[in-house]
Amino acid sequence: KNEVEQSPQNLTAQEGEFITINCSYSVGISALHWLQQHPGGGIVSLFMLSSGKKKHGRLIATINIQEKHSSLHITASHPRDSAVYICAVPGGSEKLVFGKGTKLTVNP
Amino acid sequence: DTGVSQDPRHKITKRGQNVTFRCDPISEHNRLYWYRQTLGQGPEFLTYFQNEAQLEKSRLLSDRFSAERPKGSFSTLEIQRTEQGDSAMYLCASSYLSGTGVSQPQHFGDGTRLSIL
Repeated sequence: KNEVEQSPQNLTAQEGEFITINCSYSVGISALHWLQQHPGGGIVSLFMLSSGKKKHGRLIATINIQEKHSSLHITASHPRDSAVYICAVPGGSEKLVFGKGTKLTVNP
Repeated sequence: DTGVSQDPRHKITKRGQNVTFRCDPISEHNRLYWYRQTLGQGPEFLTYFQNEAQLEKSRLLSDRFSAERPKGSFSTLEIQRTEQGDSAMYLCASSYLSGTGVSQPQHFGDGTRLSIL
């Protein structure tokens, strides 16, 4: 069974700061997902990546398959980035295994 | 593409009552997943369907839980004789698995928040 660890659990930043959230997993995977969950529950898929780096706006996701580690970066953070960021990996049979999430608060 | 729709958004009920949630996936998606999320935790897998076939159930899915996807489109999740521990967010997701076995990212609904009094 794949175990997913995220750090930090909580993160508070000032607007404009560069944010890094880390994810480690225990078993080799085909792809890793970064998800965003706003208060109220809805989950939005940010990235699915299997190697290297992906960029979307101010968000950058990187993955190191050998080290079983991924990072999510947010450049020039903004209060609207405040949310829970969740890392997820395949757990067999296409289902996802999720980390506990990182709660990000960006203060103006 | 109207996204994954879940109904209701919130459900408050007394312990011992039965509840049923509905999920409408993205129309062309053949896979549908149910997850449960308790406070401060990441979602946990409950079950998934490929078209109308239920292919896997988690040990979390006790015999009080039943899920169906009768026509391979919408799905329902029923909990009988609810208990306090059933209080959680129930999330539905859908995806498309191609004939060549390539799976697309899962799209999530906004969830149904269940509170047991």
